[in-house]
Amino acid sequence: EDQVTQSPEALRLQEGESSSLNCSYTVSGLRGLFWYRQDPGKGPEFLFTLYSAGEEKEKERLKATLTKKESFLHITAPKPEDSATYLCAVHISGGYQKVTFGIGTKLQVIP
Amino acid sequence: EAQVTQNPRYLITVTGKKLTVTCSQNMNHEYMSWYRQDPGLGLRQIYYSMNVEVTDKGDVPEGYKVSRKEKRNFPLILESPSPNQTSLYFCASSLSAASNEQFFGPGTRLTVL
Repeated sequence: EDQVTQSPEALRLQEGESSSLNCSYTVSGLRGLFWYRQDPGKGPEFLFTLYSAGEEKEKERLKATLTKKESFLHITAPKPEDSATYLCAVHISGGYQKVTFGIGTKLQVIP
Repeated sequence: EAQVTQNPRYLITVTGKKLTVTCSQNMNHEYMSWYRQDPGLGLRQIYYSMNVEVTDKGDVPEGYKVSRKEKRNFPLILESPSPNQTSLYFCASSLSAASNEQFFGPGTRLTVL
C-alpha cells in the first residue's frame, strides 16, 4: 500500500534555529512529490514539486530535496512567519491521477 | 485574480438531508479534485476529474458524488449525509494533471448532526 509518512508531527524552533522536516514514502512509482504550506483555517499553498532523486529546489528560507525514499524540507534561520503546517504529497505512476498526502508537520517558530 | 472558490464556507445540516458544495475555478484548469481533512488523518482525496465528463475515485469516495459538466465547476454532492462526513472539505485545481501544482480553495466546514 502506498504510504506517505511525515516526521516530526510537531516542531518548535527558536527564531534563527535551522532544522529539517522529513517526508518518507513507500510508493510503487513516484511521478512527483509536493510540498505545501497550510496556515490555520486556510487551504494549502503550493511550495515545491520534485520529480526525481537528487533534485533540489529553493525558495527564500526553504529548500526541498529528494532521494529515492524520502524528501527533506530544510528551513534555514526561520522566522515567526514561517509558522505553519507543512504538508508532503505524492503522485504515483500507473495511470492514476490520485494524490496522497501525509498528515503534516506543525511548525512553530518562537521569537 | 486566479482563484478557486467554494460555497458555502460553513454548513450545519442534519443526517440524510441532501447537500451540494460548489467549487469553481477561473484558471481554465483541466484537473480538479476534492479532499477532506480530518485531525490525525490529514488530507484525503475523495474524487478527482481530469476534464469535462471525466471523473474517478480517490481514496475515500464512499458517500460522495461528483459531476464535471463544465470545465470551471466541480460540485461535491452528499446525497444522504451522515455524521462521519463532518469534516473540512477542500476543492483544488491544477493545469493538466495530478503532477502539477494544485491551487486550493478556502475550504468548507461541514457539520452533520
